Amino acid sequence: IAGITQAPTSQILAAGRRMTLRCTQDMRHNAMYWYRQDLGLGLRLIHYSNTAGTTGKGEVPDGYSVSRANTDDFPLTLASAVPSQTSVYFCASSAGQAETDTQYFGPGTRLTVL
Amino acid sequence: GQNIDQPTEMTATEGAIVQINCTYQTSGFNGLFWYQQHAGEAPTFLSYNVLDGLEEKGRFSSFLSRSKGYSYLLLKELQMKDSASYLCACTDSNYQLIWGAGTKLIIKP
Repeated sequence: IAGITQAPTSQILAAGRRMTLRCTQDMRHNAMYWYRQDLGLGLRLIHYSNTAGTTGKGEVPDGYSVSRANTDDFPLTLASAVPSQTSVYFCASSAGQAETDTQYFGPGTRLTVL
Repeated sequence: GQNIDQPTEMTATEGAIVQINCTYQTSGFNGLFWYQQHAGEAPTFLSYNVLDGLEEKGRFSSFLSRSKGYSYLLLKELQMKDSASYLCACTDSNYQLIWGAGTKLIIKP
């Protein structure tokens, strides 16, 4: 693994189903983030984690949950998917805090909820 | 409120210079980032400004005026590969980044 990876690359999901998007980084970065990107809107922060064992809510957390059991992994779970969660999801990481450190992004997961 | 504004789309000619502007309003400002995002790909870091002034990095330069809540990204000697979206971002009151919607730059031969 080099950098930050996400799985799956794309997914079509029926409404009401549960789905976990996976994110793994091998840079030993402390902070990790989940964003969604929708046409005409900027990246919007869903959840973040400043260090292993801690998580925080971003701008649009409803309907999503995260965990940070270790430094490398930061999965995002949709408990019961709805069509409005159709989006491209990016995971990112940074060595330190978001306000000063470069964020490195994974390739994204394109999710369609029908 | 907190918001970031940048033009939706710009067009420029190969070999020319283009300036992409970004204005912001936030209560937790601690620097401004520029990222590049090619269609279908992830954003990648271009620059970070925390002090007023111009920072040059090869063909790309970034400017910041904290008093005016204004930044711009200057791209010189445009190449076709510069066709992409350019995203500006700065911190909000929770010390997380808020992002502009991006400026799609179209380069014509």
